Amino acid sequence: DQQVKQNSPSLSVQEGRISILNCDYTNSMFDYFLWYKKYPAEGPTFLISISSIKDKNEDGRFTVFLNKSAKHLSLHIVPSQPGDSAVYFCAASEIMNAGNMLTFGGGTRLMVKP
Amino acid sequence: NAGVTQTPKFRVLKTGQSMTLLCAQDMNHEYMYWYRQDPGMGLRLIHYSVGEGTTAKGEVPDGYNVSRLKKQNFLLGLESAAPSQTSVYFCASSLDRDDQGNTEAFFGQGTRLTVV
Repeated sequence: DQQVKQNSPSLSVQEGRISILNCDYTNSMFDYFLWYKKYPAEGPTFLISISSIKDKNEDGRFTVFLNKSAKHLSLHIVPSQPGDSAVYFCAASEIMNAGNMLTFGGGTRLMVKP
Repeated sequence: NAGVTQTPKFRVLKTGQSMTLLCAQDMNHEYMYWYRQDPGMGLRLIHYSVGEGTTAKGEVPDGYNVSRLKKQNFLLGLESAAPSQTSVYFCASSLDRDDQGNTEAFFGQGTRLTVV
């Protein structure tokens, strides 16, 4: 059973508008969350992260919100640009995990139309 | 600044053939990982290593073996390839968590493997 889920396989938005990507998790031991961006034929690259002790983290056009009680996080991109078109993966990590590995969601393909 | 480098980038195998995927990182990271990416499944962990000479199973280890003889290298082997192993394989590396819990992993560019 997937511990991290991204229920929207794809999202299309107009350039300049807000993109909101959602992610849900089931493991209450997760304490650190990351968003990765992936272009075709490239490896995922780190975008932004948030610790479970916070509910918001902002970096330029990108903001991640965490709602621990709902086990939900979201990535907001404002304003969206055509270059943001990519697949976005939500990932989570738990402190008790000796291997330090990340658990990923299935990804959301974002298309930003000019 | 190479980061994480994977070899080869593409490969086509016949069922039953064997091959080794090579991953090299130049960031002196302790942790290394092999993931596979399949449509709708995200990235699933195959095997990982917490240091030179150590390996452990991840979520989907069956049909794969790994070795970490040197800190900078992590090899993924397929002894007898099956069509179900057709996938894109990503290697990643990371440091230990920092004081804020950051566990950012750095990824290679991927290896697209097709088993026919």
